[in-house]
Amino acid sequence: DAGITQSPRHKVTETGTPVTLRCHQTENHRYMYWYRQDPGHGLRLIHYSYGVKDTDKGEVSDGYSVSRSKTEDFLLTLESATSSQTSVYFCAISESPLDGRTGNTIYFGEGSWLTVV
Amino acid sequence: AQSVTQPDIHITVSEGASLELRCNYSYGATPYLFWYVQSPGQGLQLLLKYFSGDTLVQGIKGFEAEFKRSQSSFNLRKPSVHWSDAAEYFCAVGAVSSARQLTFGSGTQLTVLP
Repeated sequence: DAGITQSPRHKVTETGTPVTLRCHQTENHRYMYWYRQDPGHGLRLIHYSYGVKDTDKGEVSDGYSVSRSKTEDFLLTLESATSSQTSVYFCAISESPLDGRTGNTIYFGEGSWLTVV
Repeated sequence: AQSVTQPDIHITVSEGASLELRCNYSYGATPYLFWYVQSPGQGLQLLLKYFSGDTLVQGIKGFEAEFKRSQSSFNLRKPSVHWSDAAEYFCAVGAVSSARQLTFGSGTQLTVLP
């Protein structure tokens, strides 16, 4: 299994409070991703990083920000949590972009369950 | 942009029976295709992937999938299902133009009857 640790694994928070989820990897992979998983939607990309201090938005980035100050850590922040952000959040890593020449792929952490009440 | 459809939300099979989970994709060029499995409360585990070459791909746990370009499909199969295969299965597509991300289907929940 890829060395990916997400924290916290479970969190309940109140509407309007800030929340930060942490993803830590021990694989020294360049690319890191945050996805959210909701019933009927599969996984949707929130933000991703292609290097230290290099990040970009995914398809559902509104209300989220990210930071990557070290290769091994990728933080996802909800500045002011809303009930619509109740979800399961997955961190993922990959050594390089998806590339048929190298066959690299994406590996996932075990998820963080966030409930906003 | 690419998209993935998994037409079956929930499938129930008996242990020992064969299994086929459907996946259809939309993308203008040759896609990169993946199947992941998720057990309750767990992350996603890669079952198999197709990048190029042989259209029949073997994966872990006895699963295989066949890429059919003419049908835009990448169906997952297993000849004999075990109770431990009960989980949710996700098909995903990646493309060169969006090389940094995958697009997932909405998943198929598999129940295995004893």
